[in-house]
Amino acid sequence: AQSVTQLDSQVPVFEEAPVELRCNYSSSVSVYLFWYVQYPNQGLQLLLKYLSGSTLVKGINGFEAEFNKSQTSFHLRKPSVHISDTAEYFCAVGAQGGSEKLVFGKGTKLTVNP
Amino acid sequence: KAGVTQTPRYLIKTRGQQVTLSCSPISGHRSVSWYQQTPGQGLQFLFEYFSETQRNKGNFPGRFSGRQFSNSRSEMNVSTLELGDSALYLCASSFTSERQYFGPGTRLTVL
Repeated sequence: AQSVTQLDSQVPVFEEAPVELRCNYSSSVSVYLFWYVQYPNQGLQLLLKYLSGSTLVKGINGFEAEFNKSQTSFHLRKPSVHISDTAEYFCAVGAQGGSEKLVFGKGTKLTVNP
Repeated sequence: KAGVTQTPRYLIKTRGQQVTLSCSPISGHRSVSWYQQTPGQGLQFLFEYFSETQRNKGNFPGRFSGRQFSNSRSEMNVSTLELGDSALYLCASSFTSERQYFGPGTRLTVL
């Protein structure tokens, strides 16, 4: 079984500041890792994913994440945020091979203030 | 390609009723998964269908059921609705487990 912990439920930052959203996971099998973003009244949009290979993954809208196997972490970063980045962000894990089931963290609400 | 579509987008029902939600996956995708999103429990996996067979199931009571048709479209049904079933129900389709595409969701309100 897998589980995901997002360490911060809310993160307020000022525009143009850097941000890091933290995610830790546990799993007894090899996994894929994902970050999704959800804007109000919308579905989930994939920001980036780690499948294998390079541990630094770049995604859309200037976001990147680093997979750290020893610390079982997959933190999301952006060097300079915009007001439009205000949204809820979800870290998710899926088992490699077969099932499409994703296990999600509880989410981090990112609020970017002017 | 058109994205994942879900109908209806909004639904209001009363306790004890039943409801059916529909999901049309991206063309060529054979796997469809359903998730329930609530403020208290977050995003929880309901079930996954692949080629008309349920391949995986989450921890939900038997009141929650689903099916998939030969064209990969899927429906989920909730019988004997309870207030706690009020949620955003998200459908996702995929070609492989390396990426799922989510629809906009159906907002169900149970009064």
